[in-house]
Amino acid sequence: GAGVSQSPSNKVTEKGKDVELRCDPISGHTALYWYRQSLGQGLEFLIYFQGNSAPDKSGLPSDRFSAERTGGSVSTLTIQRTQQEDSAVYLCASSLNGGTIYFGEGSWLTVV
Amino acid sequence: GESVGLHLPTLSVQEGDNSIINCAYSNSASDYFIWYKQESGKGPQFIIDIRSNMDKRQGQRVTVLLNKTVKHLSLQIAATQPGDSAVYFCAVVTGGGNKLTFGTGTQLKVEL
Repeated sequence: GAGVSQSPSNKVTEKGKDVELRCDPISGHTALYWYRQSLGQGLEFLIYFQGNSAPDKSGLPSDRFSAERTGGSVSTLTIQRTQQEDSAVYLCASSLNGGTIYFGEGSWLTVV
Repeated sequence: GESVGLHLPTLSVQEGDNSIINCAYSNSASDYFIWYKQESGKGPQFIIDIRSNMDKRQGQRVTVLLNKTVKHLSLQIAATQPGDSAVYFCAVVTGGGNKLTFGTGTQLKVEL
């Protein structure tokens, strides 16, 4: 597609449930990032994928968070046993070989 | 590590005036700098970037200035328009890496 596509755009889930957030990067982009943005805050790095290299998971806040990228394209961010503090916008971005990093519109997660 | 700060949380300007948004960074090894615009309910939108081998770069109505001596970055918007109202983030990449570190954002308000 023309831009980074994320789904769902909005998700309301009950505390304790698992959620999956999907990201389709810009076609051909080798790098994929996940960030989290809490209300009124800046962006917090979660995880980074580059080609076939091992991902940089240094930003994942707990072992309830995981992400995978299949076939070097689509990525899924999974949050297990969601907590209220997980409520945030989850933003995906992609880039080509260290070039400009473009963001999607985000998945707005609310845990009730 | 890297910390990124912005000098003002909110900036109000009159329509037609020039806007200047500032950003300070801490790591002298930072080598890639990006400005993003984020409108309410949307993902960050790329505005302009600059690498450490430059001190100025211009786009359409926007200019980014980089002062590596004092580790300071600014975004200048000429003839500010109501559509420029948004939160502006600076983001920094350090040491040839790939992780963006974001500042907390400056809310730009354009008054008619």
